[in-house]
Amino acid sequence: NAGVMQNPRHLVRRRGQEARLRCSPMKGHSHVYWYRQLPEEGLKFMVYLQKENIIDESGMPKERFSAEFPKEGPSILRIQQVVRGDSAAYFCASSPAGTGATEAFFGQGTRLTVV
Amino acid sequence: KQEVTQIPAALSVPEGENLVLNCSFTDSAIYNLQWFRQDPGKGLTSLLLIQSSQREQTSGRLNASLDKSSGRSTLYIAASQPGDSATYLCAVTSSNTGKLIFGQGTTLQVKP
Repeated sequence: NAGVMQNPRHLVRRRGQEARLRCSPMKGHSHVYWYRQLPEEGLKFMVYLQKENIIDESGMPKERFSAEFPKEGPSILRIQQVVRGDSAAYFCASSPAGTGATEAFFGQGTRLTVV
Repeated sequence: KQEVTQIPAALSVPEGENLVLNCSFTDSAIYNLQWFRQDPGKGLTSLLLIQSSQREQTSGRLNASLDKSSGRSTLYIAASQPGDSATYLCAVTSSNTGKLIFGQGTTLQVKP
């Protein structure tokens, strides 16, 4: 059973371009969480999705950021018109049930560098 | 608002020592607490998960305790090894959606 798969592992974008980060949850998991780790800061929750639904996006910046988890395929975190401050490691986690008692499993992350 | 604090921020010990990492949280109404390990430039590896009804969990040389009423957890590492060098993160789930609130981490260095 493969773990949580994120790609690409490293992504370089110029200011103003779009960044698309992908996350394939563990087999049998239908709940996906995205977290961001800024340099010298801790991990911060961004968004929680179930298949075809955004459940909690309280941690998402109001502009330029969006996320989806379609019925088929990976979850996508999209950042439009990237700026230098978006440079960070973006981690995806999945769980079999989106309840408070369920263990989360993390991917290796995507390290975004904006130049 | 739930806040998680980890002390110390960094720790350096000689190989073989037993050590304790501390985690505190402000709101005792949690569902569970997880300890993770993060190596430089890598992802998070789950070490131990303690449900709110549990007092401790053990895995090999690791033992994590939870005192929910006082808002504290400790991660005990026995007979530390250089391979234990990493950043250790504590995270709690306060909402019923499974959203994790992380501490800033403790960076551990075990010297041979």
